[in-house]
Amino acid sequence: QVQLVQSGAEGKKPGASVKISCKASGYIFSSYYLHWLRQAPGQGLEWMGIMNPSSGSTSYTQKLQGRVTMTRDTSTSTVYLDLSGLRFEDTAVYYCARAVGDDAFDVWGQGTMVTVSS
Amino acid sequence: DIQMTQSPSSLSASVGDRVTITCRASHPINTYLIWYQQRPGKSPQLLIYGASSLQSGVPSRFSGGGSGTDFTLTISSLQPEDFATYYCQQSYNTPLTFGQGTKVEIK
Repeated sequence: QVQLVQSGAEGKKPGASVKISCKASGYIFSSYYLHWLRQAPGQGLEWMGIMNPSSGSTSYTQKLQGRVTMTRDTSTSTVYLDLSGLRFEDTAVYYCARAVGDDAFDVWGQGTMVTVSS
Repeated sequence: DIQMTQSPSSLSASVGDRVTITCRASHPINTYLIWYQQRPGKSPQLLIYGASSLQSGVPSRFSGGGSGTDFTLTISSLQPEDFATYYCQQSYNTPLTFGQGTKVEIK
């Protein structure tokens, strides 16, 4: 079945970097754009950016420009989120999600908890 | 950025009740409006796209409406599994933005 499986929880110190993976299966990897979103504890959803798995092109929210990088490995159908210069406010559950139609997210990863603490 | 405002932030309702949640965009977004349901500790699930199109597999008691700046999500007869938080999202332009959520609780 179609699924996105993310890597496990991470604990990091302020200023460090984190890299999260999202492995796609059950569909043609290059056919759907993948997005990254996050959700701080008890808060709503925040969009981070989009990747075209076919071309590798990306677009990020201006809020995170300079700190976020999205990459992919087509040989393993995996996309990666790299977030640098971590701050306490980056503590959140990070999701990858597949986009269909007009950027509606029909398949989500299970989420990866990233905790930033000293 | 387009701001999305949901109301109410929370509501209490009983099984069988009709429930309506409102989402307002700060800028007209045609029908580029999506609704999700999120249960505690779970990933969001797509309910409605294009403001009123029901995602495959979603029960028909869910319906969406509206265009421009004002949108609604209606649950015609609330079921126990519907107690969750609901989010609207605009896909008119980037950055994609979400409402703050509406938590539907048991009365």
